[in-house]
Amino acid sequence: EVQLVQSGGGLVQPGGSLRLSCEVSGFPFSDYWMHWVRQVPGQGLEWVSNINQDATSIDYVDSVKGRFIISRDNTRNMVFLQMYSLRVEDTAVYYCARLSTAGGVNYWGPGALVTVSS
Amino acid sequence: IVVTQSPLSLAVTPGEPASISCNSSQSLLHRNGYTYLDWYLQKPGQSPQLLIYFVSNRASGVPDRFSGSGSVTDFTLQISRVEPEDVGVYYCMQAVRSPGFGPGTKLEIK
Repeated sequence: EVQLVQSGGGLVQPGGSLRLSCEVSGFPFSDYWMHWVRQVPGQGLEWVSNINQDATSIDYVDSVKGRFIISRDNTRNMVFLQMYSLRVEDTAVYYCARLSTAGGVNYWGPGALVTVSS
Repeated sequence: IVVTQSPLSLAVTPGEPASISCNSSQSLLHRNGYTYLDWYLQKPGQSPQLLIYFVSNRASGVPDRFSGSGSVTDFTLQISRVEPEDVGVYYCMQAVRSPGFGPGTKLEIK
């Protein structure tokens, strides 16, 4: 059974930092790109960042460049999103996801709510 | 790449068909021959679930009342007979470059 277990969400003040984690089981983690996607409550989906299998290719949406860092640990089957200089507009549910459709499936975590508020 | 969808909402009687359009500002045809356009359904309170990948391939377990078509920049998701469990927001997503989602289409039951 495939599982993506997310942790690290919570309430943080503007300008603060937070680290999201996503632990994967049930598929060969090191074979796949991994992504973070966010959703402001009541709004649409926004892709945030991705990282390839060996972390040599990384990309971010423009709005988080220079503030967020994606990383992965293939020994622990985990992907991370370190978020710095958080803004009110970063408030959202953050999903980790394997978006590649090998075998006709892809996988999303349950989401972690990040609230940036004073 | 800008992805648009229409309509942004629709209300359908059970058993009737539904159609959602998705348009991309650039070609989604990759040099490898694949067209990187997927469709997702996000049911209330849930994570998005894959419905269709590479334009017209149904994901595992997706009923055959769902179908996808299109090419290059213009794509369509069709539901042949809407059922009550199809309620939610439908998103198209391009992945020819870093992924981008359409704004979503909210489907409700009449």
